[in-house]
Amino acid sequence: AQKVTQAQTEISVVEKEDVTLDCVYETRDTTYYLFWYKQPPSGELVFLIRRNSFDEQNEISGRYSWNFQKSTSSFNFTITASQVVDSAVYFCALSEDDYGQNFVFGPGTRLSVLP
Amino acid sequence: DVKVTQSSRYLVKRTGEKVFLECVQDMDHENMFWYRQDPGLGLRLIYFSYDVKMKEKGDIPEGYSVSREKKERFSLILESASTNQTSMYLCASSLMGQGYGYTFGSGTRLTVV
Repeated sequence: AQKVTQAQTEISVVEKEDVTLDCVYETRDTTYYLFWYKQPPSGELVFLIRRNSFDEQNEISGRYSWNFQKSTSSFNFTITASQVVDSAVYFCALSEDDYGQNFVFGPGTRLSVLP
Repeated sequence: DVKVTQSSRYLVKRTGEKVFLECVQDMDHENMFWYRQDPGLGLRLIYFSYDVKMKEKGDIPEGYSVSREKKERFSLILESASTNQTSMYLCASSLMGQGYGYTFGSGTRLTVV
């Protein structure tokens, strides 16, 4: 069965600190996709990144970076020099079905960035 | 800008009322989904649809029904609203196929009194 674990329920940091959000997944498939979404206080989940299981390259997008390690089944998300606008709930998700109908979301990590 | 639009941002209904939550997408997506989000419980799938008039139960379908008469529109129906259905409801859509991300609406915060 698929499973996504985000062990950190809530994290608080002070602005400009770096912070890493952990995501550990379980799957028996060799082909799967991993996602990160951000849910700001407005409520809409916003897509941040998608990674397929054959691409273990780390990715950087501005202050955001993602570390995908198949050996530890982890897909961690780091925000460098955090800002107050980064305050949100962040969800990691796993998809392995052929039709895109069976996303498994982690429970989410609430990040609070304090000024 | 592609979008998923949920008709109401906030809704207050009385116990026993029939409630319709509407969701429209403009991306020609085959898949559409209804989730509810509650503190400590994360996102839970209520129903999804992969084509017009087609629907599949998710993890928590009890007390809900859905309707998809047109490809772009997916409605969630609470036949007789109860207080335990007070929640944030999120609609999402995606292309059919492996690896496509979901696009979410802004959510409807429903309060049943």
